[in-house]
Amino acid sequence: GQQVMQIPQYQHVQEGEDFTTYCNSSTTLSNIQWYKQRPGGHPVFLIQLVKSGEVKKQKRLTFQFGEAKKNSSLHITATQTTDVGTYFCAGPPGSARQLTFGSGTQLTVLP
Amino acid sequence: KAGVTQTPRYLIKTRGQQVTLSCSPISGHRSVSWYQQTPGQGLQFLFEYFSETQRNKGNFPGRFSGRQFSNSRSEMNVSTLELGDSALYLCASSLVGQSSGANVLTFGAGSRLTVL
Repeated sequence: GQQVMQIPQYQHVQEGEDFTTYCNSSTTLSNIQWYKQRPGGHPVFLIQLVKSGEVKKQKRLTFQFGEAKKNSSLHITATQTTDVGTYFCAGPPGSARQLTFGSGTQLTVLP
Repeated sequence: KAGVTQTPRYLIKTRGQQVTLSCSPISGHRSVSWYQQTPGQGLQFLFEYFSETQRNKGNFPGRFSGRQFSNSRSEMNVSTLELGDSALYLCASSLVGQSSGANVLTFGAGSRLTVL
């Protein structure tokens, strides 16, 4: 079936190190969204990318959408303890209309 | 404005019982989607309602059902509960339906269901 895969599943970094999570879809995505879920919390929308090759920045976070619109990445520069949580990508793959979420990357930042 | 409100936040049921969860979307949002979140399966789409009509349905058995009222509030029901139904059930609302490119979801805090 249509899947959205994310790697890595877990990532532990020292505070100040960079972090990247990757999202890959088996089919073309009309758009890609990123959400963050803090421990014990619920997913919160971060950003949406629509155009092929699009790059957007939010302070220390950089989001990219691949040229083929099948992959995306989230890069955090100089992580802080407030970045702790699980990052999900989500998109409507292929002809699907509902958002399919990736498996998520759980980020731990060690002080 | 108020966010997405889900009730109850926590509940414990036994196998074979049924449960009804409620979701009040952000005022003006007409689409309500339900997701099941478990450690092993991640966020799995259950169904979406828009203007009181079910628009999309995920790959869940018929024991999982839902509905939406004229005020956009939504309920989901799980009958004949199984141990594997233990999960965090998340409701998300959006201004337009998920078929639109502007389908950004605002999630509620979730209802954590434990089935014993």
